[in-house]
Amino acid sequence: KNEVEQSPQNLTAQEGEFITINCSYSVGISALHWLQQHPGGGIVSLFMLSSGKKKHGRLIATINIQEKHSSLHITASHPRDSAVYICAVDHTDKLIFGTGTRLQVFP
Amino acid sequence: DAGITQSPRYKITETGRQVTLMCHQTWSHSYMFWYRQDLGHGLRLIYYSAAADITDKGEVPDGYVVSRSKTENFPLTLESATRSQTSVYFCASRLDRDNQPQHFGDGTRLSIL
Repeated sequence: KNEVEQSPQNLTAQEGEFITINCSYSVGISALHWLQQHPGGGIVSLFMLSSGKKKHGRLIATINIQEKHSSLHITASHPRDSAVYICAVDHTDKLIFGTGTRLQVFP
Repeated sequence: DAGITQSPRYKITETGRQVTLMCHQTWSHSYMFWYRQDLGHGLRLIYYSAAADITDKGEVPDGYVVSRSKTENFPLTLESATRSQTSVYFCASRLDRDNQPQHFGDGTRLSIL
């Protein structure tokens, strides 16, 4: 069993829809990261959080430490949000990654 | 503000050849990492370094060698490339041990024929 599990693996949405991507982990962590990777592109850090909730534009990330679960929400999705979203957890001094959620948003 | 740069961006080589991927960061970050990204596996840690002259194995170190003689550079060498090492390689850095964002390079797409 992977230490970091993401769901769903693939997600298709119409422009304007509200998107939720989930991440569960089974190890002790000091922080959780959400990353974004566009097709053929580099990897960008979206959020790092250790408690509560963070918001940046249309993106919201939440974490529940007791339940070992985090969610990434995208409000009013847009085709430019199409990317792979990766959850990663800080465990000891390294990151453990989920396998990513591929999001496609159609106009 | 160069940040973190990888070179080359693309490389094609043959099995048995030695190839070195370069990674350079301008932030004086303590930690640097090398990952490979393959379909179905996500990002896997090859090696990492906590400081100059300190390196540690990650999840998939076999067939790779690293060094870190200077804080800003962290080259990754495939001593005798194999087809299974065809992958996209990402270098990353972070300021300190944890609770810091990691900054990724643009990646090197390596094909071994």
